[in-house]
Amino acid sequence: DTGVSQDPRHKITKRGQNVTFRCDPISEHNRLYWYRQTLGQGPEFLTYFQNEAQLEKSRLLSDRFSAERPKGSFSTLEIQRTEQGDSAMYLCASSLGGTFITSEQFFGPGTRLTVL
Amino acid sequence: AQSVSQHNHHVILSEAASLELGCNYSYGGTVNLFWYVQYPGQHLQLLLKYFSGDPLVKGIKGFEAEFIKSKFSFNLRKPSVQWSDTAEYFCAVTGGATNKLIFGTGTLLAVQP
Repeated sequence: DTGVSQDPRHKITKRGQNVTFRCDPISEHNRLYWYRQTLGQGPEFLTYFQNEAQLEKSRLLSDRFSAERPKGSFSTLEIQRTEQGDSAMYLCASSLGGTFITSEQFFGPGTRLTVL
Repeated sequence: AQSVSQHNHHVILSEAASLELGCNYSYGGTVNLFWYVQYPGQHLQLLLKYFSGDPLVKGIKGFEAEFIKSKFSFNLRKPSVQWSDTAEYFCAVTGGATNKLIFGTGTLLAVQP
């Protein structure tokens, strides 16, 4: 399967712990997005990378959240000092394109985070 | 601010019934529109997209959507639904340099056999 993959698929953690999620995009895709989805809502944008550069961050992304894409390939999303409100599905998507060029985003299966 | 409204949160239909799901958006610039579908236990998949040209867009599995610029709408239609269409449907809009997707809250469709 050459689609977007995410690891782990599920994560249960205690409040105050740090967690890290990984996303492997489709190999030739230069754009990578992170979204968060809570129950009854559509996905909400968190952050965007073009190659290794993080070009946009949502105000939803508090200072406890950090994302990296060190070599322009896989990406990690870290949440420090987790809170119960961080419980959600974290989705990764990738696409191929340039500035102002729209293309389809392909989504991974998501990582479901539960903070106890 | 960009936003997307989906008016139908939960729709129940019998097989062979016609489907129309509403989607309205708010965006000041050139807009690109999408419908994504999430089948039970699966990840989000693209159903259809509108970038430019013919405002009537045909997607996979017999779905179509019509972009009506004057109404800021992009409604999804299917003339005859099947049980396998049971899923959650999300309307989304992008624009600007990053093309981040702005999603609606989704419509959960249940098709009864």
